[in-house]
Amino acid sequence: DSGVTQTPKHLITATGQRVTLRCSPRSGDLSVYWYQQSLDQGLQFLIQYYNGEERAKGNILERFSAQQFPDLHSELNLSSLELGDSALYFCASSVGATTGELFFGEGSRLTVL
Amino acid sequence: KNQVEQSPQSLIILEGKNCTLQCNYTVSPFSNLRWYKQDTGRGPVSLTIMTFSENTKSNGRYTATLDADTKQSSLHITASQLSDSASYICVVSDNYGQNFVFGPGTRLSVLP
Repeated sequence: DSGVTQTPKHLITATGQRVTLRCSPRSGDLSVYWYQQSLDQGLQFLIQYYNGEERAKGNILERFSAQQFPDLHSELNLSSLELGDSALYFCASSVGATTGELFFGEGSRLTVL
Repeated sequence: KNQVEQSPQSLIILEGKNCTLQCNYTVSPFSNLRWYKQDTGRGPVSLTIMTFSENTKSNGRYTATLDADTKQSSLHITASQLSDSASYICVVSDNYGQNFVFGPGTRLSVLP
């Protein structure tokens, strides 16, 4: 158990809909990262938050947004969903903004029909 | 452009055999290199992390090497077990760990 909690584990929805994925980092970790992993593909970095502020942005679509709350949990919002958004979405946390081990959650599997 | 390449893309070995996975990177400036193991459908789990000054680091049957001059790393698995079947991902950090550049992974299958 990495200590990073993601909900929901599985989510099935239709095209055009909006979903929210939630991540609770390990106790004491201030950084939260979001990654997308499509079938048989590598992990694609989406966005990083550190202590409530956006710190780095990767290949995140404009239809996607995220935030980190004062209690340090984070949410990834995916809107106007398309079939191609079907993927595993991983959250990871680390203690610092640029240092520390990355601990991954078990992921949220999104299926868009 | 910062990139991480891994080879082979996939590998099949028999239980008990050894294997070596390769990672080449162009990330600069280099901060550290990590190897992760990802079971199918699960989150990646860290195996090793190495900084510029480290050449070798072991974690049980896993031994990682780093040559910062040639920008190459390898992960050697000794006496493989069925539970070693997974994807192994090389991740390189730049700018003192500001960005994590992920390799595509090597999918290892260990057969009985």
